[in-house]
Amino acid sequence: QSVLTQPPSASGTPGQRVTISCSGSRSNIGSNYVYWYQRLPGTAPKLLIYNNNQRPSGVPDRFSGSQSGTSASLAISGLRSDDEADYYCATWDDSLSGPVVFGGGTKLTVL
Amino acid sequence: EVQLVESGGGLVQPGGSLKLSCAASGFTFSGSAMHWVRQASGKGLEWVGRIRSKANNHATLYAASVKGRFTISRDESKNTAYLQMSSLKTEDTAVYYCISDYYDSGGLNFDYWGQGTLVTVSS
Repeated sequence: QSVLTQPPSASGTPGQRVTISCSGSRSNIGSNYVYWYQRLPGTAPKLLIYNNNQRPSGVPDRFSGSQSGTSASLAISGLRSDDEADYYCATWDDSLSGPVVFGGGTKLTVL
Repeated sequence: EVQLVESGGGLVQPGGSLKLSCAASGFTFSGSAMHWVRQASGKGLEWVGRIRSKANNHATLYAASVKGRFTISRDESKNTAYLQMSSLKTEDTAVYYCISDYYDSGGLNFDYWGQGTLVTVSS
């Protein structure tokens, strides 16, 4: 049981906009930055979003992150077939659940 | 080219010990924080711990599930980070990833990931 709650799956068609949620609490998302990682099949994860909404160099602006209260979201616009991957959120946690907590991951399927 | 190459994984009995190594190249290792994250089969990612750069006193931090059993260290002369695991439990079975936070941001900027090494704890 992950401290951060993500939907186990999400799907969309090419060109669509998809949103993946990450729900937490005051001790984690409510008071710390959220990070998102993408894991393509057969590869190690890759940093997608840091500090809630910042993109590392090389990450397309189709990917965006947001945070409000104790929840965060990753949005992918202009969905492409090669976006099919597992997506994980993570953050620091100031409670006994910490120091770092991950979401359980969301498998995105491009139909 | 940035590379993080883990080694040292394998089969170990419960209660045993194992030391993983992570050899870094292609970036300024000394300025980076190094994290370890693991993933059990069919499960999500779990953060294990991290060691910061010399500028941040090589400060370490661990997940509650491994604190007191695992130790992270680094050797700047070898550009290598280590994860010493002891008192291993079956639930420690996972693929272990070495990760660098290039600027030692203090956050979870997992900029580079190794390919992972499998640790199996079983009798």
